[in-house]
Amino acid sequence: SAVISQKPSRDICQRGTSLTIQCQVDSQVTMMFWYRQQPGQSLTLIATANQGSEATYESGFVIDKFPISRPNLTFSTLTVSNMSPEDSSIYLCSAAGQGYEQYFGPGTRLTVT
Amino acid sequence: DQQVKQNSPSLSVQEGRISILNCDYTNSMFDYFLWYKKYPAEGPTFLISISSIKDKNEDGRFTVFLNKSAKHLSLHIVPSQPGDSAVYFCAASNTGFQKLVFGTGTRLLVSP
Repeated sequence: SAVISQKPSRDICQRGTSLTIQCQVDSQVTMMFWYRQQPGQSLTLIATANQGSEATYESGFVIDKFPISRPNLTFSTLTVSNMSPEDSSIYLCSAAGQGYEQYFGPGTRLTVT
Repeated sequence: DQQVKQNSPSLSVQEGRISILNCDYTNSMFDYFLWYKKYPAEGPTFLISISSIKDKNEDGRFTVFLNKSAKHLSLHIVPSQPGDSAVYFCAASNTGFQKLVFGTGTRLLVSP
């Protein structure tokens, strides 16, 4: 299984600002994913981060709001842009394993005031 | 449209007894199912999975059962231990896309 780290682990940000979350995997992986878990809710897929091409976004999520980079096979970033209190969530990255399972990082707890 | 549902938000079980967590899905295109455990302030940890070509998969104390006709799966934990206390998520995937759709989670409390 892959070991995944995320930075920062938590942050408190003012509305209108942006935050970039970093995700590092300890081995090369083909597919990485970004999820959001709003308070009391389930995990919702934001986008699939593709190496060497643009990310693939799920319905309801757009690149201008959540730009993603994937410069190599072990690293990805997610930016939450022009934040509002509704963006307060836990943001998680994951990496695909050998099968169809995914391995998750510890998450970034974001609070927007 | 919640394609994966866990209708029990919480479950309390005594140590040593069986814990049964349930999950229902609506999308017949799902062909791979997974269970994750999540502790507070940590990311979800993969527990066990099952392909739609099987109806049971076992790994130590954890067994997952799949009833395709009922679009229902369950996770059995035997015997339950206090360290099993966590939120459990089921997830479903269409292996052609490798995206996971998660249920809403069930909080399991195992008391000594």
